[in-house]
Amino acid sequence: GNSVTQMEGPVTLSEEAFLTINCTYTATGYPSLFWYVQYPGEGLQLLLKATKADDKGSNKGFEATYRKETTSFHLEKGSVQVSDSAVYFCALSIRNTGGFKTIFGAGTRLFVKA
Amino acid sequence: ETGVTQTPRHLVMGMTNKKSLKCEQHLGHNAMYWYKQSAKKPLELMFVYSLEERVENNSVPSRFSPECPNSSHLFLHLHTLQPEDSALYLCASSQEETGAYEQYFGPGTRLTVT
Repeated sequence: GNSVTQMEGPVTLSEEAFLTINCTYTATGYPSLFWYVQYPGEGLQLLLKATKADDKGSNKGFEATYRKETTSFHLEKGSVQVSDSAVYFCALSIRNTGGFKTIFGAGTRLFVKA
Repeated sequence: ETGVTQTPRHLVMGMTNKKSLKCEQHLGHNAMYWYKQSAKKPLELMFVYSLEERVENNSVPSRFSPECPNSSHLFLHLHTLQPEDSALYLCASSQEETGAYEQYFGPGTRLTVT
């Protein structure tokens, strides 16, 4: 089946620290991969995406590379800010008989301290 | 208005009340979704509408009744809810037939059942 596993939180970092949030997936075909972010009191927003192996998605200093050989899509940022405090969701979408299906990970909460 | 809007943003209702949540998307998308987000639980997909037809219903209790009168509007009708139905209800939209299938979320309705 299709599934997404991401590291449990919360993750607590100091400002300017390096961030990695691990995400691995299982899929029966060739999924597209996403990171969404949810700030307090808001809905989810697409942060970045990659649609095929070796693609790198990037946005707002965040990056993730689609690694087919390790079935991973880890989120990284070189220097986090307090404003990056949020919940981060890894997700995949894949075509099945009923159309596209999206599966979300459980989310990882990030706290960044000043 | 831009993106995906949801009203009301907050709702408190008794177990015997009937209320409706409204979602509107201004993106020209042809698929819409209802999700339930509870504390410490993964995001739960409730309903999917594609081209105004319901294509997925993930074993949601009948006290939740969706309605999609056109491709821009989605409602969730609520009646005789239980306290465990208290959660953030998120609406999302997407454009099918694209390769990546990212979803755009509204800010959510925070529902409290008393």
